[in-house]
Amino acid sequence: DVKVTQSSRYLVKRTGEKVFLECVQDMDHENMFWYRQDPGLGLRLIYFSYDVKMKEKGDIPEGYSVSREKKERFSLILESASTNQTSMYLCASNNKRLFYSNQPQHFGDGTRLSIL
Amino acid sequence: SQELEQSPQSLIVQEGKNLTINCTSSKTLYGLYWYKQKYGEGLIFLMMLQKGGEEKSHEKITAKLDEKKQQSSLHITASQPSHAGIYLCGADMNFNKFYFGSGTKLNVKP
Repeated sequence: DVKVTQSSRYLVKRTGEKVFLECVQDMDHENMFWYRQDPGLGLRLIYFSYDVKMKEKGDIPEGYSVSREKKERFSLILESASTNQTSMYLCASNNKRLFYSNQPQHFGDGTRLSIL
Repeated sequence: SQELEQSPQSLIVQEGKNLTINCTSSKTLYGLYWYKQKYGEGLIFLMMLQKGGEEKSHEKITAKLDEKKQQSSLHITASQPSHAGIYLCGADMNFNKFYFGSGTKLNVKP
């Protein structure tokens, strides 16, 4: 089974802190994703990466950055945390989509982040 | 997302009853995925549909994709409390870009 592991289930940080959320997958997937999930807004894509050291902005990248130094690890960084970044953060991974071959994303358990 | 409309937004059913959740797009879907999320947890992948008219079942859950590949339904037969959670549809529309529906909250009353 695919295993996507997020480093923390719950995290409390203060405004202005630099926050790191870590995600590791064990299936040698090329693609990795970071989402945030908020009531009434659903899942929104922050950043994704399709290869080591490659990254693409999603729908809401402002206030975030990412790092992918190794294939299995994708980090989300909140440069200077703000209260509006309090949310549930979900990491996902999948294989590169080949011609006519779709690949579902597999998710971690999520990190519930509170910024005080 | 607006690309995928999911209905209903919430559902309360009596244990043992059948139910259906719908997911609709105005565009052709390359792949349609169903996920279940328990409250406060991550998404669990249930099923993937790719071909028009395709139908898949797992235990008491059946998912179908229509011939035009623009609408999918998730049907639960004889619901149980263990089926409670949030069901989300997701779809491939552009290269490596997923869209997700807003989710359907399901409560099953014992």
